[in-house]
Amino acid sequence: GAVVSQHPSRVICKSGTSVKIECRSLDFQATTMFWYRQFPKQSLMLMATSNEGSKATYEQGVEKDKFLINHASLTLSTLTVTSAHPEDSSFYICSASERRNSNDEQYFGPGTRLTVT
Amino acid sequence: DQQVKQNSPSLSVQEGRISILNCDYTNSMFDYFLWYKKYPAEGPTFLISISSIKDKNEDGRFTVFLNKSAKHLSLHIVPSQPGDSAVYFCAASADSGGSNYKLTFGKGTLLTVNP
Repeated sequence: GAVVSQHPSRVICKSGTSVKIECRSLDFQATTMFWYRQFPKQSLMLMATSNEGSKATYEQGVEKDKFLINHASLTLSTLTVTSAHPEDSSFYICSASERRNSNDEQYFGPGTRLTVT
Repeated sequence: DQQVKQNSPSLSVQEGRISILNCDYTNSMFDYFLWYKKYPAEGPTFLISISSIKDKNEDGRFTVFLNKSAKHLSLHIVPSQPGDSAVYFCAASADSGGSNYKLTFGKGTLLTVNP
């Protein structure tokens, strides 16, 4: 199947700083990318949907000014957590899809563990 | 409001036996359902899916059953193998065939297959 990478896999940052997480589709062009976060023993929660070249669509309750998403190319989307706080510590996972009309071809990255101290 | 529910946080079965993972949903607009497998510190991997126009889909050892009237689906793994030990997520989509197929996930069920 298609490969999606995320970088970094783990990051520890101090409260108040910003952290950027990259999501790349390595062998296909991703028309749509999704960002999720997962707390321990919880489900994956969709944060936002981004289509290349347009603004991301955020889910209710997700602060767009805090979680900046940029989908500048068909192979790269970035999530920047601005002014991070300890409650932002979580596992962030991206997924990417090549086709608009398929439900099952959404490929997930390995995730990024963010710890804010 | 949990629209996709996996009420069993964990399940333990013996190798060779059947594993049955259950999932319930509340949103009647969901028309496409997927199962993902997830190992620790990794992203989910797609396993099998089913459209609401079907009630069963089979792929090797994995079979998904959908009961629309009960808003219930289940994943059967037979025979279960130790390598199947992972967290299984049920997911649903309300935009089958559309361009915005957001997935709503359940909390997952940790399956342990004992040798």
